[in-house]
Amino acid sequence: DQQVKQNSPSLSVQEGRISILNCDYTNSMFDYFLWYKKYPAEGPTFLISISSIKDKNEDGRFTVFLNKSAKHLSLHIVPSQPGDSAVYFCAASALVGGGKLIFGQGTELSVKP
Amino acid sequence: EAGVTQFPSHSVIEKGQTVTLRCDPISGHDNLYWYRRVMGKEIKFLLHFVKESKQDESGMPNNRFLAERTGGTYSTLKVQPAELEDSGVYFCASSPERGIGPYKNIQYFGAGTRLSVL
Repeated sequence: DQQVKQNSPSLSVQEGRISILNCDYTNSMFDYFLWYKKYPAEGPTFLISISSIKDKNEDGRFTVFLNKSAKHLSLHIVPSQPGDSAVYFCAASALVGGGKLIFGQGTELSVKP
Repeated sequence: EAGVTQFPSHSVIEKGQTVTLRCDPISGHDNLYWYRRVMGKEIKFLLHFVKESKQDESGMPNNRFLAERTGGTYSTLKVQPAELEDSGVYFCASSPERGIGPYKNIQYFGAGTRLSVL
């Protein structure tokens, strides 16, 4: 069973516009959420995270929103740049789970000049 | 500061052979994780070391996989004998010991080892 889901395999946006990547989860024990960015032939790179006690975390052009009642989080990138083109993974962990990350399937973002 | 290092970057072996993957975590990181991504799907957890001890190996597919972490430093993941379905990219990640304060679990990943079993 897929505990973390990214239902959009791909997303294409114009440079300068907003990119919104979505993620849904089912396990209410998850208490920490992360977004990773991955370029081809590289490992995932940590981007931004949010604790379950918050509903928003912002870091420069990147903002993550958490809606616990809906078990939904989203990553907003504003403004989008061509260098943001990559696969974005949503991941979740639970303190009681020992810290292992449960990943979604990833969303491939393409930012067109 | 050096990041997580994995070796080799790519390994091609025949079914039935043995392969050993190595991971060097970030210096001082007590937590070491192994993950695998098969056929472009989601990245799946394999196991977790805290120092030299296996904390959680619930994601290991079967007993053909053996992981060790010598002296709490580098780790190896051995597949013996390899099967076709073992092909994929194996990632290693590390994170520092979680201390007091809000729970945070940022894991830092290596570039991965692409394993191809023919």
